[in-house]
Amino acid sequence: ETGVTQSPTHLIKTRGQQVTLRCSSQSGHNTVSWYQQALGQGPQFIFQYYREEENGRGNFPPRFSGLQFPNYSSELNVNALELDDSALYLCASSLGGSNNSPLHFGNGTRLTVT
Amino acid sequence: RKEVEQDPGPFNVPEGATVAFNCTYSNSASQSFFWYRQDCRKEPKLLMSVYSSGNEDGRFTAQLNRASQYISLLIRDSKLSDSATYLCVVNPSPTNTNAGKSTFGDGTTLTVKP
Repeated sequence: ETGVTQSPTHLIKTRGQQVTLRCSSQSGHNTVSWYQQALGQGPQFIFQYYREEENGRGNFPPRFSGLQFPNYSSELNVNALELDDSALYLCASSLGGSNNSPLHFGNGTRLTVT
Repeated sequence: RKEVEQDPGPFNVPEGATVAFNCTYSNSASQSFFWYRQDCRKEPKLLMSVYSSGNEDGRFTAQLNRASQYISLLIRDSKLSDSATYLCVVNPSPTNTNAGKSTFGDGTTLTVKP
């Protein structure tokens, strides 16, 4: 069984730039959720994709966008980066798009915006 | 007020001690509950689901109190390897506005000392 993989592991960007983070879901999982985790805080829900459609969104501005592909992998795109976007970005896969299936996380991408 | 609140700790306990964490949630329609463990600079990993009747997994016991809207985690006979941050997760009953949204607490930090 292949777990959730994320790339890149670390990234440094400048304010105003754009970034794309990638995630491959665990085999057999059709749902991908993205979270932002700032230091000392719990993960904050960005959005979830189920069968290539957005299936719920947290309190993040439209410059945070995403995609899910037919193989259930996913991308998180952030435009016009701000210093406060510096955080650990976590991708989690689960099964079925329901709220009862536990999340399985990847190792995360640590983004630093300077 | 945050939707999910945890005592941040830190809890510093000796090996062999019993320690308990609580987590309160504000949405009475919440449907499912989990405890995750997160080691420093790593991704969260599922520790256990929390069932209405309470459930046990080895040294770990989880309880749910729907009337008072809190969940708890009890760790008996603490080991050095239990040192981590423990995150509680609350999932709402799915509707169009919160589909997919898992809400995390900010975590409780546990340090087990020799």
